[in-house]
Amino acid sequence: GQNIDQPTEMTATEGAIVQINCTYQTSGFNGLFWYQQHAGEAPTFLSYNVLDGLEEKGRFSSFLSRSKGYSYLLLKELQMKDSASYLCAVRDPFSGNTPLVFGKGTRLSVIA
Amino acid sequence: IAGITQAPTSQILAAGRRMTLRCTQDMRHNAMYWYRQDLGLGLRLIHYSNTAGTTGKGEVPDGYSVSRANTDDFPLTLASAVPSQTSVYFCASSVGHADTQYFGPGTRLTVL
Repeated sequence: GQNIDQPTEMTATEGAIVQINCTYQTSGFNGLFWYQQHAGEAPTFLSYNVLDGLEEKGRFSSFLSRSKGYSYLLLKELQMKDSASYLCAVRDPFSGNTPLVFGKGTRLSVIA
Repeated sequence: IAGITQAPTSQILAAGRRMTLRCTQDMRHNAMYWYRQDLGLGLRLIHYSNTAGTTGKGEVPDGYSVSRANTDDFPLTLASAVPSQTSVYFCASSVGHADTQYFGPGTRLTVL
């Protein structure tokens, strides 16, 4: 089976650091994506990890541990515009008709 | 370059009516996808196409059909709409199957 877990909601303060976790249990694994989705808008691609370790891209970093079935998205120097949902998605080569399996998303609220 | 466009932006439809949601991309991507996004359920794949002339069923295909006559267009048809098809529909595309997906702006559909 396929299961991707993320916290439903998180709140953090402007200027702070927040870590959004994602755990997955899938038949296979061939990469993990993070997407950002502002309310009423489309998901936009943030990052992709296929090997263990940290990928840094400006204020955003994404970490992967394949042995633990775990990833996190780290957002630094939070800004109000970072208030959005963050979607974790796993590429499972054994998923048949579903190339990407999406988690339900974590809604992040950044407060002043 | 527009990327991916979807039409209409929103639609209210009477149950039993036929409706086609349009999706066009100008990135020459081979693969295209249709998702629906519902509160608490996340993104669910309806149908996909790995290349022009081929289509496949996703996780929730019942009540929907697609066609892929050329690379750019991937319309989604609801033959006889039902209220449970009320949702936000996103079209996406990727260079190849299971590559990074890029999403259109979405269509908000309400079936009464």
